[in-house]
Amino acid sequence: EVQLLESGGGLVQPGGSLRLSCAASGFPFGNYWMHWVRQVPRKGLMWVSRINSGGTGTTYADSVKGRFTISRDNAENTLFLQMNSLRADDTAVYYCVRDVGAGWYSFDSWGRGTLVTVSS
Amino acid sequence: EIVLTQSPGTVSLSPGDRATLSCRASQTITDNYLAWYRQMPGQAPRLLIYGASRRATGIPDRFSGSGSGTDFTLTISRLEPEDFALYYCQQHATSPWTFGQGTKVEIK
Repeated sequence: EVQLLESGGGLVQPGGSLRLSCAASGFPFGNYWMHWVRQVPRKGLMWVSRINSGGTGTTYADSVKGRFTISRDNAENTLFLQMNSLRADDTAVYYCVRDVGAGWYSFDSWGRGTLVTVSS
Repeated sequence: EIVLTQSPGTVSLSPGDRATLSCRASQTITDNYLAWYRQMPGQAPRLLIYGASRRATGIPDRFSGSGSGTDFTLTISRLEPEDFALYYCQQHATSPWTFGQGTKVEIK
């Protein structure tokens, strides 16, 4: 069974940093592209970032470019999102998601999410 | 970026009814790369359809997707209790990969 388990969320002040982690199991992690998608509570979904299977290619939404960094450790089956210079509008539940296949950019497995709150 | 507009915002139906949800794009979606998700309360979204009409693994055949260009439809042939939820469309053709604002299917 595919499992994705996020951790690292919490309350942080504007301008602060957080590092999210996602532990993957139940599938060959190193074969799949992975993404982060966020959802403002009771509102819509926004794609944040993606990384290819080998970790050599990344893409970001304009609103997080230059502030967030996606990475992965295939030996440890873990996906990361380093978030710097956080703003109030980054407040959301962050989901770790698996791509259907290399470059399909649709998401067939989701974690339960981790809540990030940016507030003073 | 491609803006997706879903309609209706909310639809009220009964178990066993047929549901038809619409998703319209602000520009043509290349290769009809349009996906649908269901989000039940307190849960993460679940992929139902991708590539406009391909059912994801484990999705029952009461879910079907159709459409091309800028107009797409998700049809649920007979609503089950777990289908009363939020539904989102998402285009997976062009960066940034965007979602619609959602349609809520509620019990009449």
